[in-house]
Amino acid sequence: KQEVTQIPAALSVPEGENLVLNCSFTDSAIYNLQWFRQDPGKGLTSLLLIQSSQREQTSGRLNASLDKSSGRSTLYIAASQPGDSATYLCAVRRATSYDKVIFGPGTSLSVIP
Amino acid sequence: NAGVTQTPKFQVLKTGQSMTLQCAQDMNHEYMSWYRQDPGMGLRLIHYSVGAGITDQGEVPNGYNVSRSTTEDFPLRLLSAAPSQTSVYFCASGYKSGPQHFGDGTRLSIL
Repeated sequence: KQEVTQIPAALSVPEGENLVLNCSFTDSAIYNLQWFRQDPGKGLTSLLLIQSSQREQTSGRLNASLDKSSGRSTLYIAASQPGDSATYLCAVRRATSYDKVIFGPGTSLSVIP
Repeated sequence: NAGVTQTPKFQVLKTGQSMTLQCAQDMNHEYMSWYRQDPGMGLRLIHYSVGAGITDQGEVPNGYNVSRSTTEDFPLRLLSAAPSQTSVYFCASGYKSGPQHFGDGTRLSIL
């Protein structure tokens, strides 16, 4: 059974810092991995999607990497801003049962001005 | 583009009542799914569909029914509401190899 964990559960940093969020999964047979952000009381916004054959994806100040063999993905946020404050979730689509997507519990990020 | 549209945004029900949460997407996505999000439990998959006429169960399907008569619509039915179904419900759609797109959610309270 695929399990997805995220460390840390919560993170508070001063504005301008570079930071890394971690996502781990137990079954390396994945189809793709997606990072989302969720603002309080809102839906999920897609940030980056990494296919299983890719090593990383970049969008602006965000960079996501994928290491299937170790069951890990990291989301790197450069020069953090107060507007980055949100909960960040990773989600894994399995290769063998690709219709099911498993979410991690999320990391709550607070960027202090 | 409208994207994924969920209605209603808020709903209060009494125990035993039934209702349907609506979800529609205008992106011609083959894959649609329903999740519930509860504090400390994260997002859990209720039901999903890989195309019109095809549905299957997720992690927590009990107490819910779905149907997919068209590509665009994927309604979620609560058969007999229970307080344990108080939650925020999200609908998502996407292609198999592409990103999932989420609606804004329905906040449901069962008294």
